[in-house]
Amino acid sequence: ILNVEQSPQSLHVQEGDSTNFTCSFPSSNFYALHWYRWETAKSPEALFVMTLNGDEKKKGRISATLNTKEGYSYLYIKGSQPEDSATYLCALGLYGGSQGNLIFGKGTKLSVKP
Amino acid sequence: EPEVTQTPSHQVTQMGQEVILRCVPISNHLYFYWYRQILGQKVEFLVSFYNNEISEKSEIFDDQFSVERPDGSNFTLKIRSTKLEDSAMYFCASSAFQLAGYHEQYFGPGTRLTVT
Repeated sequence: ILNVEQSPQSLHVQEGDSTNFTCSFPSSNFYALHWYRWETAKSPEALFVMTLNGDEKKKGRISATLNTKEGYSYLYIKGSQPEDSATYLCALGLYGGSQGNLIFGKGTKLSVKP
Repeated sequence: EPEVTQTPSHQVTQMGQEVILRCVPISNHLYFYWYRQILGQKVEFLVSFYNNEISEKSEIFDDQFSVERPDGSNFTLKIRSTKLEDSAMYFCASSAFQLAGYHEQYFGPGTRLTVT
């Protein structure tokens, strides 16, 4: 059974702190790694889709890196703001003709205090 | 900005009843998905749908579940005879591209299904 793990489960930081969290996945059959940001009562919002080993993507204060050989991705938030409070989900897309089956981690719940 | 919508936002039903969850995917998307998240657990894939047929389904998606695209805009998930363990948040998603494990999937806000 393929397993995607995220750590930590939850994180409490002060406004202005920079933070990062981890997504671990089995490196065999890797196809793509997705990061989503999910605020309560809203739709999960796609942040990044990463496919290449060593890939680094950035969107404003949020960036992500990918290591497919060792099976992990980091998400960084620079200078956290209260509006960054959300659950951050990673999901693995598999090689092998899958039509879109994403395997999700449990998420990291981030709370940013003003 | 185009978005995926889902109705209702919350559905309460009695065990054994049929429910239909509705989704309106983004209009030019061709690939559609249902996922669910039981409280406290991971989001799980249920089914993918393309060209009016199921492309892939998980073990969860048994004979009690069915999907349909009844017209050009709606995409529905039907549960024929609900069980307590079907209580979950159900997400619809859509994608413009094939091999959508490789491309962004756009998610709706979810329908919370409570089976009593």
